[in-house]
Amino acid sequence: EPEVTQTPSHQVTQMGQEVILRCVPISNHLYFYWYRQILGQKVEFLVSFYNNEISEKSEIFDDQFSVERPDGSNFTLKIRSTKLEDSAMYFCASRGEMGGAGGGQFFGPGTRLTVL
Amino acid sequence: SQQGEEDPQALSIQEGENATMNCSYKTSINNLQWYRQNSGRGLVHLILIRSNEREKHSGRLRVTLDTSKKSSSLLITASRAADTASYFCATNNAGNMLTFGGGTRLMVKP
Repeated sequence: EPEVTQTPSHQVTQMGQEVILRCVPISNHLYFYWYRQILGQKVEFLVSFYNNEISEKSEIFDDQFSVERPDGSNFTLKIRSTKLEDSAMYFCASRGEMGGAGGGQFFGPGTRLTVL
Repeated sequence: SQQGEEDPQALSIQEGENATMNCSYKTSINNLQWYRQNSGRGLVHLILIRSNEREKHSGRLRVTLDTSKKSSSLLITASRAADTASYFCATNNAGNMLTFGGGTRLMVKP
């Protein structure tokens, strides 16, 4: 069964460093997302991406964040200068055309980011 | 309360019993979705119900939606130990984003 994969599973970084979180969405999906979940809190939407551009983003997704689809398979989230409060589990998700806007999204296993 | 709030926050039942989890939301929606998350793992999409639907079934899952009360319920029948997980409702009101609730932690004792 196709699945979304994410690497690394755990990333530890120093405050102020740049990190890139990587995702490989399901191959025939067209919509891509990043969410985060701070420990003990709700899953929060960060950004959605379609047709090589951001289609929607939340207030969390400020200038420190960027997304890219550098090739036909990878989807990345970059945090330019990490802060302690960026420590969270980051989930990538993808969706196909079926189900229309807001249809069921397939989530990856997440990358746990720890900022020291 | 915020969009997509589940109750109870935690639920403990015996194997074979039914589990009911509720979700309330505040704004109008296109659809409401339920997800499961095993500890330390990603979210698994369970079922989607559209705003013009009232009830939907998938295997042992039954979801209802009452848009007049802005609430939904997820019923898991004949629960199994493997159903132990956190369950989240998520609403889609426009565009692509999902707004998640805080989740219900379900424990099914064998």
